[in-house]
Amino acid sequence: GESVGLHLPTLSVQEGDNSIINCAYSNSASDYFIWYKQESGKGPQFIIDIRSNMDKRQGQRVTVLLNKTVKHLSLQIAATQPGDSAVYFCAENMANQAGTALIFGKGTTLSVSS
Amino acid sequence: GAGVSQSPSNKVTEKGKDVELRCDPISGHTALYWYRQSLGQGLEFLIYFQGNSAPDKSGLPSDRFSAERTGGSVSTLTIQRTQQEDSAVYLCASSSRGGTEAFFGQGTRLTVV
Repeated sequence: GESVGLHLPTLSVQEGDNSIINCAYSNSASDYFIWYKQESGKGPQFIIDIRSNMDKRQGQRVTVLLNKTVKHLSLQIAATQPGDSAVYFCAENMANQAGTALIFGKGTTLSVSS
Repeated sequence: GAGVSQSPSNKVTEKGKDVELRCDPISGHTALYWYRQSLGQGLEFLIYFQGNSAPDKSGLPSDRFSAERTGGSVSTLTIQRTQQEDSAVYLCASSSRGGTEAFFGQGTRLTVV
């Protein structure tokens, strides 16, 4: 079936660098996307979301970019900190259909070294 | 409570036994999701409830798995005749409606021995 996937399973950066985590989705009908952060032993935590009528959305130190033409989603983290070390998942949904579930990709493990 | 609550946090059971996992969603949330996460893996969708609509059960891996949601609030995931491959963290999430931010509980870690 269709699913959301991530380009790289791991990403290692230095503290202070900017991080970019990528995600490719295959369901062109998806119109709502979320990035989650999951720390060890915890449930996923919402970071930022974006709807398909936008191509960019900014939060605190994070930016999500959506390219519907190539079905690509990215999460940019500015000035990455050790506390950003976690597994990051993207998820997709068809928001205009209330009866659809969030589908997750496999995740990218971000490691931040001091 | 303020967030999604799951119980128990840990469950060890013998192969062949039935288990029930509970999820208390955020009050007023009409959408509720169950996922399974094996060690080091992503979130595998199991089942989705949205209001009074028929649940989306397309992710349930076998007929040993079932879930219900009573009164549009608390949900119970039941695994019958547990197998060792059922060992995983079972995560529940809720959202105010489909197509919006989903909030997760801390999960139930199930170990089948």
